Amino acid sequence: EIVLTQSPGTLSLSPGERVALSCRASRSISSSYLAWYQQIPGQAPRLLIYGASFRATGIPDRFSGSGSGTDFTLRISRLEPEDFAVYYCQHYGSSTGTFGQGTKLEFK
Amino acid sequence: QVQLVQSGAEVKKPGASVKVSCKASGYTFTRYYIHWVRQAPGQGLEWMGIINPRNGSTTYAQKFQGRVTMTRDASPNTVYMELSSLRSEDTAFYYCARGGYGGYANWGQGTLVTVSS
Repeated sequence: EIVLTQSPGTLSLSPGERVALSCRASRSISSSYLAWYQQIPGQAPRLLIYGASFRATGIPDRFSGSGSGTDFTLRISRLEPEDFAVYYCQHYGSSTGTFGQGTKLEFK
Repeated sequence: QVQLVQSGAEVKKPGASVKVSCKASGYTFTRYYIHWVRQAPGQGLEWMGIINPRNGSTTYAQKFQGRVTMTRDASPNTVYMELSSLRSEDTAFYYCARGGYGGYANWGQGTLVTVSS
């Protein structure tokens, strides 16, 4: 079973800053099945990125994804107040759906 | 538009079972797998399993094997997740999500299951 490890666990940042969130897989996975989600407390997760680098419908272009093999990154170019949330990476497919443990972005 | 509407909150005693429903609309029900994900209070997301609404085939996460059963009813476009032998650690929000090559773009609103004596 693949394990996804996200780092860091928590980041304290200010609006306007840029950030890179890491997701590392325990073994190589297809980038076609790597997704990123944003979750605001009290809400269901929202899909941001699928296939490692494709933005989901309606997602602003300040969000971008990259990576392959075991190392994947979600970047936010300029933080907006509504971006302070928890972010999860996921390896998904027809028989799996493993999530990382999440990275929390909090206000500095 | 695509919608997944889940059943309401449940309170169960330890040892009991719970069955959560997820009604799909706005797309062809049999074309997309449905996944179940849970989230304990203050914790991360945990994948439970997947059902193919076309034929009812399922794959469960190893952690839940033997305790979870996912089924579907093509009329009325509803999938179900039943979890048995409940314990306090099963207290969580349970979500259904529509799967596909493009990740989980659509989620239900979540169903809170509370296990308490």
